[in-house]
Amino acid sequence: QKEVEQDPGPLSVPEGAIVSLNCTYSNSAFQYFMWYRQYSRKGPELLMYTYSSGNKEDGRFTAQVDKSSKYISLFIRDSQPSDSATYLCAMSVGQTGANNLFFGTGTRLTVIP
Amino acid sequence: DAGITQSPRYKITETGRQVTLMCHQTWSHSYMFWYRQDLGHGLRLIYYSAAADITDKGEVPDGYVVSRSKTENFPLTLESATRSQTSVYFCASSESGYYNEQFFGPGTRLTVL
Repeated sequence: QKEVEQDPGPLSVPEGAIVSLNCTYSNSAFQYFMWYRQYSRKGPELLMYTYSSGNKEDGRFTAQVDKSSKYISLFIRDSQPSDSATYLCAMSVGQTGANNLFFGTGTRLTVIP
Repeated sequence: DAGITQSPRYKITETGRQVTLMCHQTWSHSYMFWYRQDLGHGLRLIYYSAAADITDKGEVPDGYVVSRSKTENFPLTLESATRSQTSVYFCASSESGYYNEQFFGPGTRLTVL
């Protein structure tokens, strides 16, 4: 069983829609949760970073962590064509220690104008 | 240009050849990382370095060699390339080693024939 599972999609939505992206995980010790956005032929860039359970909002983006269900989500409100990218979740037990950051496989999102 | 760069961006080589992928960052970050990204696996850590002359293995180090004689450079060498090393390779850097401060390069797409 993989540490982190993520639906690869692809996911296509019309402009202005609310997008929900999700990951599940198996290791209950994970404490730090991240979402990365990766445009085609580019490196990942950090979008959201949360610690433990709860919600975090940044503009049109909201990250949710439900540790009891081992489930994290990223919501994108009023989606734009510029949001078209692959979204990767990642999580870790510790805040550092380069050997224990686990990535999902990514969900490809297309926002249609 | 400030930031993190990788060269070459694209490389085709043959099985058994030695290949070196270059990574250069201008921030003087202490930590540098090498990841590979494959369909169905997401990003996986190959090697990382906490400072010049300090390196350590990640999740998938077999077949790779790294060195870090200067803070700003972190080359990755495939000593005898195999087809299974066909992948997209990303270099990243971080000042403190914290995941939320990790910046990724644009990637090198390597094909081993």
